[in-house]
Amino acid sequence: DARVTQTPRDKVTEMGQEVTMRCQPILGHNTVFWYRQTMMQGLELLAYFRNRAPLDDSGMPKDRFSAEMPDATLATLKIQPSEPRDSAVYFCASGTTSGSEEQFFGPGTRLTVL
Amino acid sequence: SQKIEQNSEALNIQEGKTATLTCNYTNYSPAYLQWYRQDPGRGPVFLLLIRENEKEKRKERLKVTFDTTLKQSLFHITASQPADSATYLCAVPFSGGYNKLIFGAGTRLAVHP
Repeated sequence: DARVTQTPRDKVTEMGQEVTMRCQPILGHNTVFWYRQTMMQGLELLAYFRNRAPLDDSGMPKDRFSAEMPDATLATLKIQPSEPRDSAVYFCASGTTSGSEEQFFGPGTRLTVL
Repeated sequence: SQKIEQNSEALNIQEGKTATLTCNYTNYSPAYLQWYRQDPGRGPVFLLLIRENEKEKRKERLKVTFDTTLKQSLFHITASQPADSATYLCAVPFSGGYNKLIFGAGTRLAVHP
């Protein structure tokens, strides 16, 4: 049963600390998306990768957020330094550029910055 | 820029009735529109995709319509069940392609026995 996995599921940290979230896309998928979901803003796209290359990160605060795909099985989203306003649920999703346009979401990482 | 509008108020209906959710977009006509279901504490799950040249799409008890004149999609669940209670999100691609999606805020559906 192929699925997107994310770690950690929950993270509580203090303001100023570095946070790293990890995502394993579904094997064979060549697109990866990072989203942030809050009650106020809903689901917002932060970054998009195709074939491991970053195509769009215009949704990310550049000074503190960074996203990478070291290899086809791992995508990371880092926040340094973290701030209370970064508290949200962060979702990773994967998909393919051949065939269906649907995206497969992971279970999310709930981040709380105190 | 494209905006997706969904009714922010929860929709409460009786089991067995048809639930109808609305999704409106404000700008360019998208090549397709997707509907997702999200349960509390979980990621969205894809339900249906309808393309701009399709008027209607069905999957079991689900039906989606796409009216490019009204800039609107309707999502219907017939013979609703309490297990259908969830938040339903609609999404359209950014202009320029790349499969990037803009999501609406979602409408929460509660089906009562």
